[in-house]
Amino acid sequence: AQRVTQPEKLLSVFKGAPVELKCNYSYSGSPELFWYVQYSRQRLQLLLRHISRESIKGFTADLNKGETSFHLKKPFAQEEDSAMYYCALRGLTGGGNKLTFGTGTQLKVEL
Amino acid sequence: KAGVTQTPRYLIKTRGQQVTLSCSPISGHRSVSWYQQTPGQGLQFLFEYFSETQRNKGNFPGRFSGRQFSNSRSEMNVSTLELGDSALYLCASSLGSQETEAFFGQGTRLTVV
Repeated sequence: AQRVTQPEKLLSVFKGAPVELKCNYSYSGSPELFWYVQYSRQRLQLLLRHISRESIKGFTADLNKGETSFHLKKPFAQEEDSAMYYCALRGLTGGGNKLTFGTGTQLKVEL
Repeated sequence: KAGVTQTPRYLIKTRGQQVTLSCSPISGHRSVSWYQQTPGQGLQFLFEYFSETQRNKGNFPGRFSGRQFSNSRSEMNVSTLELGDSALYLCASSLGSQETEAFFGQGTRLTVV
């Protein structure tokens, strides 16, 4: 079975402060991890994926297989980062595009 | 390039009725997945279709079914609606092979009364 856990429902930070959104996963095979973001009144969209190792909008995430974590980080939060963030997992074995999502963390950046 | 289109956007149905939701993927995408989003359970995978065949299935009762047409458009059907089926139903399309990005539609908001 595959499972994604996001322990925080809401994370509130001040503008300019560092941000860390936590994500832990459980999967017996090789996983592919993603972060999706949903801005107010917009559709769910991909923010980044661990395979590409990119930094998008200042966000980075490193897959830690030992701790089974894929935390999302940004050194300096901006007001426009306020959104709902979902961590998701796809198994690389067995084929298919099934995504297992965490319950999401609402990030609120205050001025 | 047009995004994933879901119709209708909003729907109100009565308990016991059945409903069909539609999803048009991005042109050239062959994989379509469906998700149910609720405040309590979050996003839960329903099923995935690829080249008109169901490739993956989530843990939902048989009342939830789907199909995909030769043009990759997909429909999802829920029969004998229950109050608990009220949710936002999201469709996502992908090129189809592994390691490709999933693009989501804006969803269909289903309310069962």
